[in-house]
Amino acid sequence: AQRVTQPEKLLSVFKGAPVELKCNYSYSGSPELFWYVQYSRQRLQLLLRHISRESIKGFTADLNKGETSFHLKKPFAQEEDSAMYYCALSGWTNAGKSTFGDGTTLTVKP
Amino acid sequence: DAEITQSPRHKITETGRQVTLACHQTWNHNNMFWYRQDLGHGLRLIHYSYGVQDTNKGEVSDGYSVSRSNTEDLPLTLESAASSQTSVYFCASSDGASSSTDTQYFGPGTRLTVL
Repeated sequence: AQRVTQPEKLLSVFKGAPVELKCNYSYSGSPELFWYVQYSRQRLQLLLRHISRESIKGFTADLNKGETSFHLKKPFAQEEDSAMYYCALSGWTNAGKSTFGDGTTLTVKP
Repeated sequence: DAEITQSPRHKITETGRQVTLACHQTWNHNNMFWYRQDLGHGLRLIHYSYGVQDTNKGEVSDGYSVSRSNTEDLPLTLESAASSQTSVYFCASSDGASSSTDTQYFGPGTRLTVL
């Protein structure tokens, strides 16, 4: 069965510090991994997906199949990055559905 | 612009009442999903649909039902509301036309309180 684990429920960093939100997964096959973000009083929205290999708002995430991880990183956190972040997994064996982690609330302090 | 909407945005109801939450999307997406969001549990899938007349149970489907009579709408019904169903409910949709691994687009959420 597929599973997504985000080990940190809460993460707090100071503005300008590097930030890494961890995501580990288990999946038998080739997964597609996503990061979704929910800013205060806004809806969840896609931040990035591994297949796009993009950097969005300074965030990057690399799929590491050996370690089954998809950690989200940003070298210099900004206050506006404060939000809830969800890692999600999808793939052919779960046919269009996504499995979400429990989420990490990131707070960037001034 | 295409979008996905939910109504109502806030609802207070009493235990035992039937409640229906609406979800409407204008993306013309095949796939639609209902989740609930609770502290400590993240997003949990309630029901989903891959197209008209198709519905499937998710991981927390007990006490909920959906129907898909057209592409745009997937209403969620709580047959007899319970306090344990107090939560924030999100509807989402994805294309599903060319791939089974699609980005999901979320509605703004409905905050339901069952007293």
